Amino acid sequence: QVQLVESGGGVVQPGKSLRLSCAVSGLTFSSYAMHWVRQAPGKGLEWVAVISYDGSDKDSADSVKGRCTISRDNSKNTLYLQINSLRGEDTAVYYCARAPTAHDAFDVWGQGTKVTVSS
Amino acid sequence: AIQLTQSPSSLSASVGDRVTISCRASQGIAGALAWYQHKSGKAPKLLIYDVSTLEGGVPSRFSGSGSGTDFTLTISSLQPEDFATYYCQQFNTYPRTFGQGTTVEIK
Repeated sequence: QVQLVESGGGVVQPGKSLRLSCAVSGLTFSSYAMHWVRQAPGKGLEWVAVISYDGSDKDSADSVKGRCTISRDNSKNTLYLQINSLRGEDTAVYYCARAPTAHDAFDVWGQGTKVTVSS
Repeated sequence: AIQLTQSPSSLSASVGDRVTISCRASQGIAGALAWYQHKSGKAPKLLIYDVSTLEGGVPSRFSGSGSGTDFTLTISSLQPEDFATYYCQQFNTYPRTFGQGTTVEIK
C-alpha cells in the first residue's frame, strides 16, 4: 500500500526556518517526481514546488522562490521542503504528492502537516 | 501563470442529483487537466486526468469533458460520500495551478 506521511510542521516565529519531511513507502520512490502543495486556512490548493525523480530538476512557485528548497534522499525514501524567512502567509497545511513524471497529475497525496507562522 | 476559474464556487444539491462543475483556463493547456476531490482533514484525491480519464478505483458516476480552455466535471448521481470540495488543475506548464475550488454541500 502506497503511503506518504508528512511531518515537521508546528508553530514557528516569523523569520525563522522550517524543514518538512515526507516519508514514502509502498512504491519505488526514486522513480517518481514529487511535489509540495499547500492550503492556507480558508483558501484553496496552491502548488509550491516540484523535484524530478533523481533530484536534478526543481521548480517552485513565485510565492516561495528564493526562500524554499525542495530536496529528496532516494536512499531514505524521503522528500523534504525547507522554507526560510517564514511569513504569516506561509501558514498552511502542506501536502506532499507523487506524480508519475514531472508532466503528470498528482496521483497519490499525503494527509498533510500543519505549519503556523506566528509570534 | 495560467489561471483556472471554476464555477460555481459552491452549490447545494441532493443525493441523486446530477452535478456539473465548470473550469475555464486563461489559455490553452493541451488537455492537461485534472480534477481532485478534497474533504477537510483528508488527503486530496485524484478523480480524473487528461480531461476525461478516470483514475483507477473512482466510481463511474464521475466524468470529465471539455477541450481547449473549457472543461467540466460531472457527477451523474450525487452520493452522500461525494459532498466535498472539488478542484481542477492544469499540469501543462509550470507553475502548476488550481482552480479556486467548488464546494458541494448537502441541500
